[in-house]
Amino acid sequence: DTEVTQTPKHLVMGMTNKKSLKCEQHMGHRAMYWYKQKAKKPPELMFVYSYEKLSINESVPSRFSPECPNSSLLNLHLHALQPEDSALYLCASSQLGSLYEQYFGPGTRLTVT
Amino acid sequence: DAKTTQPNSMESNEEEPVHLPCNHSTISGTDYIHWYRQLPSQGPEYVIHGLTSNVNNRMASLAIAEDRKSSTLILHRATLRDAAVYYCILRDVGNQFYFGTGTSLTVIP
Repeated sequence: DTEVTQTPKHLVMGMTNKKSLKCEQHMGHRAMYWYKQKAKKPPELMFVYSYEKLSINESVPSRFSPECPNSSLLNLHLHALQPEDSALYLCASSQLGSLYEQYFGPGTRLTVT
Repeated sequence: DAKTTQPNSMESNEEEPVHLPCNHSTISGTDYIHWYRQLPSQGPEYVIHGLTSNVNNRMASLAIAEDRKSSTLILHRATLRDAAVYYCILRDVGNQFYFGTGTSLTVIP
């Protein structure tokens, strides 16, 4: 199984809402990633977890809160978002090390109203 | 983090070979060169990667310059399903993974 799943596929939320994005993989990968992608732009790295610990935070605003409850799951908790946060949010996983490829999920299309 | 430079767009005729270039003049000795592609409305998909030697797999070939400052992704026979944005990425030992601007490939029937 080389699949990374993400739920929901689409999410519309107001600026005062709290919601969560979920990501799951069962490939035994110990690195998991969140990316944000705006239309016609490349994905931007947000967070990296290694062995369920946050190892990279690319100066992401605190209204985005990642969580890695176990080696297969990755969450992104959203609170008080702004309309400019509307984007495609991609999750990925990989084995640790520069020679390993990443596997990406299909993404969650988020719209903040 | 080392950077990559790619042409914004390229065109190819269907069933012709395509050579997608990438410059990475600040590559370090331990950086692997990865290529991914992203089809419309999908997440990126791994294509191929290498360190120093040329690499082949069922999807493509990767030609790496001797000084490693550039590489070329080769699609041997472009099909309409190969129309995508192709990203060349340098992956270092720190698990960082930064996408460049990519090349948008159009395949003409």
